[in-house]
Amino acid sequence: AQKITQTQPGMFVQEKEAVTLDCTYDTSDQSYGLFWYKQPSSGEMIFLIYQGSYDEQNATEGRYSLNFQKARKSANLVISASQLGDSAMYFCAMRRGNAGNMLTFGGGTRLMVKP
Amino acid sequence: DGGITQSPKYLFRKEGQNVTLSCEQNLNHDAMYWYRQDPGQGLRLIYYSQIVNDFQKGDIAEGYSVSREKKESFPLTVTSAQKNPTAFYLCASRKVSAGNTIYFGEGSWLTVV
Repeated sequence: AQKITQTQPGMFVQEKEAVTLDCTYDTSDQSYGLFWYKQPSSGEMIFLIYQGSYDEQNATEGRYSLNFQKARKSANLVISASQLGDSAMYFCAMRRGNAGNMLTFGGGTRLMVKP
Repeated sequence: DGGITQSPKYLFRKEGQNVTLSCEQNLNHDAMYWYRQDPGQGLRLIYYSQIVNDFQKGDIAEGYSVSREKKESFPLTVTSAQKNPTAFYLCASRKVSAGNTIYFGEGSWLTVV
């Protein structure tokens, strides 16, 4: 069975600084994918970044990058130059193999950006 | 505009009543999903459908039912058999041929009173 663990329930970061949100995973699948979503207080889930298990390069999307360490089973999200609008819940999720693309979610990390 | 539309945004239900949450997408996505989120927690999969007229149970399907009569629509019924229905419900969809990304609607808050 797949499992996603986010060990940081809440984090503070100063505006304009970088922050790393931790995510570790457990799976027996050889092929899998890892996602990060942002959930602001409005409730919608906003896709941020995706990393496939066979991708050799770490994924990047603007200010977001995914630090993928396959041997350590970690997929940490790095947000550079934090902005006040980055304050939200952040969820790490894993695609379960190739069937149906269902996602298993971690418990989330609440990020608060200080002015 | 293209997207995933969930309605209603807020819904109150009396105990013992069934309620149906709507999810419509105009993205021409093949697969659709329903997730439940409890306060302070991650999402859990209720049901998913990869093609019209076919759907599978997720991790917490008991007390819920779905239908997929049209590609763009995937309504979720929360039945009276669901013991703790108060939660935030999120619908999602994916274009099978266009990669792995799953996109979400804005969610529906259901409160049982």
